Amino acid sequence: GAVVSQHPSRVICKSGTSVKIECRSLDFQATTMFWYRQFPKKSLMLMATSNEGSKATYEQGVEKDKFLINHASLTLSTLTVTSAHPEDSSFYICSAKRQLPEAFFGQGTRLTVV
Amino acid sequence: DAKTTQPPSMDCAEGRAANLPCNHSTISGNEYVYWYRQIHSQGPQYIIHGLKNNETNEMASLIITEDRKSSTLILPHATLRDTAVYYCIGLSSGYALNFGKGTSLLVTP
Repeated sequence: GAVVSQHPSRVICKSGTSVKIECRSLDFQATTMFWYRQFPKKSLMLMATSNEGSKATYEQGVEKDKFLINHASLTLSTLTVTSAHPEDSSFYICSAKRQLPEAFFGQGTRLTVV
Repeated sequence: DAKTTQPPSMDCAEGRAANLPCNHSTISGNEYVYWYRQIHSQGPQYIIHGLKNNETNEMASLIITEDRKSSTLILPHATLRDTAVYYCIGLSSGYALNFGKGTSLLVTP
C-alpha cells in the first residue's frame, strides 16, 4: 500500500508552547489530507479536512485558531497545536487520499503536554 | 455516511478463520464498505473495500450481502499479529472516513 509518514512519532512539550506535526505522502500526491485525534480507549475523531492550496475545513467543536493546518504542497500537510495545554495531550493521526477510494494513514504522533 | 454496527469484541483461535460482521442497513447505493484495522498505538491500516461484489486481497476477503445491508470481513488464517480493533465504515468516495467503535479482535494461541 501507499506510504504516509508522520513526524514526530512522540513529542513532549511544556504547557503554553506550540508543536508542529508533519504528514507526508511519500509515493503519491494527495490533494486531500485529514487530521484525526484519538484519546485513550476511544475511536478516532476527525478534526479537519485539508485541501492542497486552500483553507482547511474544521469539524464542529475543533478550534481552528488552536489547531493550525497548512497543506502547502501535494505531499505535505502540517498540524500545529498552538499554546498547548495538558488537555491537548492525545494521539494525532493524519490520513492522505489518492485518487483511488482508499485512504492511508500515518503512524500517529503521541503528544504529551506537561 | 452510513451508520455501521459491529460487535464490540470477538475472540478467535490462532490459525482459524476470523469472521467479523458488520451491519450497514442504511448504506446508500454509491457508498463503499471499507475495512480498516488499528493495532495498539499505531495508525489505522487499510484492509479492503467493496461496493457490491465480494472482494479478496492478500489480507482478507470481504463478503457483502446482495441487499448490501451487511458484510463480513474474513481473515482466513488468523495470527496473533491480527489482534487489533477492526473498523467497518460506509463511505462515499471523496469524503473522510468516520470511525465508529469497531470490533476488538483478540487472537489467542
